[in-house]
Amino acid sequence: NAGVTQTPKFRVLKTGQSMTLLCAQDMNHEYMYWYRQDPGMGLRLIHYSVGEGTTAKGEVPDGYNVSRLKKQNFLLGLESAAPSQTSVYFCASSPWVSTVWTGELFFGEGSRLTVL
Amino acid sequence: AQSVTQLGSHVSVSEGALVLLRCNYSSSVPPYLFWYVQYPNQGLQLLLKYTSAATLVKGINGFEAEFKKSETSFHLTKPSAHMSDAAEYFCAVSGDGQNFVFGPGTRLSVLP
Repeated sequence: NAGVTQTPKFRVLKTGQSMTLLCAQDMNHEYMYWYRQDPGMGLRLIHYSVGEGTTAKGEVPDGYNVSRLKKQNFLLGLESAAPSQTSVYFCASSPWVSTVWTGELFFGEGSRLTVL
Repeated sequence: AQSVTQLGSHVSVSEGALVLLRCNYSSSVPPYLFWYVQYPNQGLQLLLKYTSAATLVKGINGFEAEFKKSETSFHLTKPSAHMSDAAEYFCAVSGDGQNFVFGPGTRLSVLP
């Protein structure tokens, strides 16, 4: 049981390049989230999804797009990378059990992105 | 709107001493409250959560936290620190599960 898997784990981009981060979870969770972590700022929510085919904006969505075509996958895209997007990105998922939200986030190990 | 503040970006304790990490929150709805721990180069792991049941919540690795509505606090404690407790700790609040708000984190160092 792999849990939440993020690929790639490391990436270096030049300003203006595009890329996609993939998050895959094998726990059949309904909710999925993308966060970025920056020193002294905790985790900030970029986008989230409450089910297959749905997405919503979080606190810092500008410059990012997401898609959730399959329940188990949540993709985060950067169309034109900027140095301000240098960060560690975390994907997380959260389950509902018998229509009750359990309140727990399960995190991947993170993807470290550097934009030069 | 919800927010979380954590007093002290860095806390140092001696091995065997009491650990106290502070968290205060604001929420317009009855909150779910959480403490997560992050070890170096890893994702976050749930330590404990408050979901409107008992106000004193016990978590893994001997940690516990007490929900105090009058003080809007959810401080994390452990009676005796261990070297393996050195990590970064995040308090988080959620009103509905669709939006978690995390505090800035407190880095705990344990001195021998």
